[in-house]
Amino acid sequence: NAGVTQTPKFQVLKTGQSMTLQCAQDMNHNSMYWYRQDPGMGLRLIYYSASEGTTDKGEVPNGYNVSRLNKREFSLRLESAAPSQTSVYFCASSVGGGSFNNEQFFGPGTRLTVL
Amino acid sequence: QKEVEQDPGPLSVPEGAIVSLNCTYSNSAFQYFMWYRQYSRKGPELLMYTYSSGNKEDGRFTAQVDKSSKYISLFIRDSQPSDSATYLCAIRGSNYKLTFGKGTLLTVNP
Repeated sequence: NAGVTQTPKFQVLKTGQSMTLQCAQDMNHNSMYWYRQDPGMGLRLIYYSASEGTTDKGEVPNGYNVSRLNKREFSLRLESAAPSQTSVYFCASSVGGGSFNNEQFFGPGTRLTVL
Repeated sequence: QKEVEQDPGPLSVPEGAIVSLNCTYSNSAFQYFMWYRQYSRKGPELLMYTYSSGNKEDGRFTAQVDKSSKYISLFIRDSQPSDSATYLCAIRGSNYKLTFGKGTLLTVNP
C-alpha cells in the first residue's frame, strides 16, 4: 500500500497563477484533510471532507477550494496564488465516522513557493 | 488563548537523556490526545495516542495526560539521535478534527 500520495512534491508559482494539488489514498478511508504548515504556526486545517460527497471549511480556507473527486481522491485548488500561500501543504486521511482512534495518516507534503 | 499551546523549543539534549515535551489545552471537551513525530521534510506520523488521564507506555515513550490540569506530556527515555525530529501534540473532541500544537524541535546529540 502506498498510503497517502501527493503530487507535485515541489511547485513554484507566480502571483496570480492557479494550480491544483492532488492527493490520493489507498486505505479505503472515509475522511480526508488538507493542512498547511508554516514556521512558527504549526499545522492548520484548510478544508476537510468527512465522507465522499461532503466538504467543509477548516481554520484557514480563504483563497482555496477543494474537490472530493471520489473516495480515494481529494484535491486542493489555488485559483489566484498569493505570496501568503507559500507553505508546505499536507494531505491526510482517516477512517472517520465514529472511529475511536481515527488516526490521521499524512502524505509527504507539497512545498509551494509563490513569487 | 489558543486551544493548544506547545513550547516550540528548540530543545537540544545529549544522547541517553530523558526528554520531556509538554502541551496545555483550554477546551475541556477534548477527549483524545495524540503525539505525532515529524522528521525533517516528511509528513507527521502518529507516535502515541490516549484518551484517559494517566500514563501510557510504548517502549521508550510514555504519554501522560492530566485532564484536571489540561496538561499532556510525552517522555522519551534513553533518547537516541534517531529521535531527533519535531514532536507535535494533537487533540480532538468528539468529532474527527485535530487541533495541533505548533511542535517542538528536538535534537539529540551523539
